[in-house]
Amino acid sequence: QQQVKQSPQSLIVQKGGISIINCAYENTAFDYFPWYQQFPGKGPALLIAIRPDVSEKKEGRFTISFNKSAKQFSLHIMDSQPGDSATYFCAASKASGTYKYIFGTGTRLKVLA
Amino acid sequence: GAGVSQSPSNKVTEKGKDVELRCDPISGHTALYWYRQSLGQGLEFLIYFQGNSAPDKSGLPSDRFSAERTGGSVSTLTIQRTQQEDSAVYLCASRPGGRGNQPQHFGDGTRLSIL
Repeated sequence: QQQVKQSPQSLIVQKGGISIINCAYENTAFDYFPWYQQFPGKGPALLIAIRPDVSEKKEGRFTISFNKSAKQFSLHIMDSQPGDSATYFCAASKASGTYKYIFGTGTRLKVLA
Repeated sequence: GAGVSQSPSNKVTEKGKDVELRCDPISGHTALYWYRQSLGQGLEFLIYFQGNSAPDKSGLPSDRFSAERTGGSVSTLTIQRTQQEDSAVYLCASRPGGRGNQPQHFGDGTRLSIL
């Protein structure tokens, strides 16, 4: 019940294309769903986050789509650029207590020039 | 600096030695987390601090692992009698604290290699 399942494990996209990464969870107590971007040798950096009271959130080229009934959420990267090549992690956190993150296993994205 | 600072950035040690990893959170952040990132795996939660107390230590993998936080600021993660399976990147994160979910801000981690 604590798991967050992330797919695909790796993704190759042409420059200008759309990158889509999916995550699914089981615990309905989760109420905060951030996405982090990690470059080699660096720590994860917050990209965008969503709460279950909205179905979509957009920031620049990055969009989170959230399906509460299916317990799924996804990250869409529009007009993907080579500089977007990184590892992306989804996470989930409960509405109370420690607010610790349960992370997905990560998606390694490569955008070809 | 303005971000979470971790030291050392890299640590190589022999099996059986003790190591100490340091985290300096963002000023004013009362909540502090340690996570471990193993090769090819995601990030797993280790321990959570609110101020100087650690109400959630559920992720510490064995009694060789301990952590403390002093002055509501700097935290150290200590691994005693290191084993090869302890090799990983140890990440620290902080957030302002208080009620409600807020983003966690991560340091760049300490890459620990056990020979």
